[in-house]
Amino acid sequence: QKEVEQDPGPLSVPEGAIVSLNCTYSNSAFQYFMWYRQYSRKGPELLMYTYSSGNKEDGRFTAQVDKSSKYISLFIRDSQPSDSATYLCAISQGAQKLVFGQGTRLTINP
Amino acid sequence: DTGVSQNPRHKITKRGQNVTFRCDPISEHNRLYWYRQTLGQGPEFLTYFQNEAQLEKSRLLSDRFSAERPKGSFSTLEIQRTEQGDSAMYLCASSSAFRTGKGYEQYFGPGTRLTVT
Repeated sequence: QKEVEQDPGPLSVPEGAIVSLNCTYSNSAFQYFMWYRQYSRKGPELLMYTYSSGNKEDGRFTAQVDKSSKYISLFIRDSQPSDSATYLCAISQGAQKLVFGQGTRLTINP
Repeated sequence: DTGVSQNPRHKITKRGQNVTFRCDPISEHNRLYWYRQTLGQGPEFLTYFQNEAQLEKSRLLSDRFSAERPKGSFSTLEIQRTEQGDSAMYLCASSSAFRTGKGYEQYFGPGTRLTVT
């Protein structure tokens, strides 16, 4: 079993829709939860991070962590074509290595 | 404010050749990480440094791979006797070892795409 599971998609939604991206993890020692956006042939770009359970909002993006279920989510409101990318969840115990999900490929259709 | 830089951006080499990649982290960051990413997969951890000390190596880092970070500044990743299976994007990231009020975020460079023919 992988430490972090993420549905690879692809996911295709119309412009303006609310997008929900999800990951599950198995190690309860993980405390830091991040979402990265990666455009084709580019390095990952940090979008959001959260620590422990709860929600965090930044503009059109909301990150949610439920440690009791070992489940994390990223919501994108009012999705735009420029949001089309691969979204990666990443989890760590602190300053050590990140463990990534497989990534979900998202397309926003105009 | 310069981010993480990596050179070269692309490298094509023949099987059996040695290659070396360079990473320059964000200047105030003392931790530096190397990851490898293959098509359709998330990045996989290879190794990381705090200052000049290499603190952890993944089992993915075979004896053909070596990483250094002299003087705790830039880092190099060398692959000896390359194989076709080494073809991947090699990503470098950096972070601060101490919480900055935001957490232990890692910031990635643009990557070096290696193709072994």
